[in-house]
Amino acid sequence: KNQVEQSPQSLIILEGKNCTLQCNYTVSPFSNLRWYKQDTGRGPVSLTIMTFSENTKSNGRYTATLDADTKQSSLHITASQLSDSASYICVVSAMNNNAGNMLTFGGGTRLMVKP
Amino acid sequence: DTGVSQNPRHKITKRGQNVTFRCDPISEHNRLYWYRQTLGQGPEFLTYFQNEAQLEKSRLLSDRFSAERPKGSFSTLEIQRTEQGDSAMYLCASSARQGSNEQFFGPGTRLTVL
Repeated sequence: KNQVEQSPQSLIILEGKNCTLQCNYTVSPFSNLRWYKQDTGRGPVSLTIMTFSENTKSNGRYTATLDADTKQSSLHITASQLSDSASYICVVSAMNNNAGNMLTFGGGTRLMVKP
Repeated sequence: DTGVSQNPRHKITKRGQNVTFRCDPISEHNRLYWYRQTLGQGPEFLTYFQNEAQLEKSRLLSDRFSAERPKGSFSTLEIQRTEQGDSAMYLCASSARQGSNEQFFGPGTRLTVL
């Protein structure tokens, strides 16, 4: 069964500090992995996408890593801002162009940045 | 705004009533997805359309739920005889068949069943 596990479930940090969110997955055959940011009451918005051959990808203060051997990914947020307060969802796509249910979602990490 | 739109954004209803939500995908996207998300959880897949054809339905989609996409553009999700357990955020996403298959999500409809 395809699964995506995220840790921690929730995290509180002070503004300006860094943090790292973790994602472990068992999805096969693997296509890509995305990190989404979801503000409260809004739909998820894609931050990064990583394919099998990519180890690191940055988007501003967000840096995602992928270890396809251990099936782990991380999202590192540098110099956090109050606007980073949101849920961060790890989503792994299986390689099946004919199936609608090809995404496996993690439960998310709820990040709160305090002043 | 050319993103995915959903209406209404919020719906409060009494148990036993029927509700209908609408999703307008990005215009050139032929794939449309419905998800349900409860507080503190990731989205759960409900159903998927390619153009007007409903190709896949989750076991979560009980017989009280029905989705349509009659002209291959907008889609509706109807819940009949709502129950308190139906309270959730209902998300719609769309994607193009080619390319990265990235799903672009709408803002969601938050349903509260009293």
